[in-house]
Formats: sequence, structure tokens, C-alpha cells
Amino acid sequence: GIQVEQSPPDLILQEGANSTLRCNFSDSVNNLQWFHQNPWGQLINLFYIPSGTKQNGRLSATTVATERYSLLYISSSQTTDSGVYFCAVEGSSASKIIFGSGTRLSIRP
Amino acid sequence: NAGVTQTPKFRILKIGQSMTLQCTQDMNHNYMYWYRQDPGMGLKLIYYSVGAGITDKGEVPNGYNVSRSTTEDFPLRLELAAPSQTSVYFCASIDRGPPLAKNIQYFGAGTRLSVL
Repeated sequence: GIQVEQSPPDLILQEGANSTLRCNFSDSVNNLQWFHQNPWGQLINLFYIPSGTKQNGRLSATTVATERYSLLYISSSQTTDSGVYFCAVEGSSASKIIFGSGTRLSIRP
Repeated sequence: NAGVTQTPKFRILKIGQSMTLQCTQDMNHNYMYWYRQDPGMGLKLIYYSVGAGITDKGEVPNGYNVSRSTTEDFPLRLELAAPSQTSVYFCASIDRGPPLAKNIQYFGAGTRLSVL
């Protein structure tokens, strides 16, 4: 099945800093999503982005499907950005949506 | 519109007991998923369903069973609970119909299960 790798596993930043999170996947995808899991465990969809670039406020994401990676950019980090960021993908040959192991982001005031 | 609702929120089981985790969605989504998340880890797919009457195994299906008799409900059954099934369980749904922009997963709040 499709493999999903996220990096870095952990990231500690000061408030106001920018960050880039990476998701590599092993096969072509029909679906790629970025999620934020807050410290209370709630999972919130940030982007549906199987290809191209999208922006939502301080967050943006880019997926280069031909090179099998996606990037999530967070600018001007705030303490409320803390939590775990997951990439989830669905391979083109199956309906399973598989999650990466996540990047734990901690924003210090 | 409640979205995806999971019950119970918390449960403690003894080894060998059985239980059903309930999941219901009111968005008329055709695809539904069950995941487990162990402490400090990512989500692992247990089972998924592409529509009523159709289910398939995910990455970690052993020890679990599912059914999908209606579009709204997708219960997860644990038979003979084991300590290794201690985890947080999440249910999710997705609308796979056009337009493609709807292809995002909505998650329930989770069920925290401890097997002692």
C-alpha cells in the first residue's frame, strides 16, 4: 500500500516564526489532506490539496504530485497553532485514506 | 447539523469483554472510516465503507468488526477486548460526490477506550 512520511517529527518555534512541514508519499494520489489536531485531540481539516497551491490566511499548502510531496507553510506562528499536523493520502488505486505519523509543533510565547 | 457523532466518549473494559462503538453522521456522506490513535502516534485505519452494505479492511483490522446497514451509521465492534486495543478511536466521513472540493474528511470527537 501507499506509504506516507512526514518531517520533521517535532518542531519547536518562537511565536512569530515561520515553518514548513513536509509530507512525502510513495505513489500517485487521488486525495491529499492536511489536518491539525489540537491539544484536546480534535482533528480539523486544513486543506484538500491533491495538487497545486492553496492559501487560507496564515496557512498555505503546495502539492507537487509528479514529485510525490506536499508542503504546509505556517507564517507568523501563534501559540494556538500548537498541536500535531497530519498529512493524509488516498492512493489512486484504493479508497483507503492513510495518515502519516505527524509533525508535533510547539509554539512558545 | 451535528456532523459526525461518536458514543460513548469514554469507556473502560475488562479483558475479554465486548463492546460496540457507535458512529453516526447526518451529512449523507457515502464513505465512512474508523481509525485508532495510540498515545503519541498517528492514526491507523481499521475499517472503511464506501456505502451501505459495503465494508473493507484497513491497515489494522484484527480484533474488530464493522457493519454498514444504513448510510448514517457505521458501528465498530470489539470482540474479546485486549490491552493492545487501548486507544482513542475516531470515526470519519467524506462526501465523494462532485465537486471534488467536497472530498474532505470530517471527524468525530473520538472515543477513549481503556482495556484493563
